[in-house]
Amino acid sequence: IAGITQAPTSQILAAGRRMTLRCTQDMRHNAMYWYRQDLGLGLRLIHYSNTAGTTGKGEVPDGYSVSRANTDDFPLTLASAVPSQTSVYFCASSVLAGADTGELFFGEGSRLTVL
Amino acid sequence: DAKTTQPPSMDCAEGRAANLPCNHSTISGNEYVYWYRQIHSQGPQYIIHGLKNNETNEMASLIITEDRKSSTLILPHATLRDTAVYYCIVRVAAGANNLFFGTGTRLTVIP
Repeated sequence: IAGITQAPTSQILAAGRRMTLRCTQDMRHNAMYWYRQDLGLGLRLIHYSNTAGTTGKGEVPDGYSVSRANTDDFPLTLASAVPSQTSVYFCASSVLAGADTGELFFGEGSRLTVL
Repeated sequence: DAKTTQPPSMDCAEGRAANLPCNHSTISGNEYVYWYRQIHSQGPQYIIHGLKNNETNEMASLIITEDRKSSTLILPHATLRDTAVYYCIVRVAAGANNLFFGTGTRLTVIP
């Protein structure tokens, strides 16, 4: 059982470059989320999607975009990376329907360094 | 969404019970209390959740006060592998997208 797969696991990127972090889930969950985690700040929600075709902004959406063309995939794009986007990025999913317990399932993270 | 307050760090001797407190004084009637933990640099892992009754599963017990303004996560026999950051979160069971993790409690289990 794969659950949530993120790619790449780590990446070093020059400032100004475009970068897409990939996230795929095989649990047929309706909702997906992107968080960033920075030392001393915990996890902060960037964007979310309640279902395929819809997205919403979280706490820190500026500089990021997402798309949800289908249920399984939820890519996060940095159009022009800046050093402040150096962080560990976590993708998550949840059922968000029916007998949903509210539990979030997380991927293993993508460590991004912008120089 | 209601926010939570947790101590930044705690130590616990291996084999003893670890009691992690959480204050959520502004919790709403339809909000559940969730606990997650994050081991080293892995993704957060769900532990347990509850509304107003105490809950127990294979990982932990959750004790919620009668006024629901605070709760305690109990790891009955802490092991070294329980060393992690523990997050207390309040949210509705489904439909809430602003899941505030905060900075959690760093639990260190000491041999």
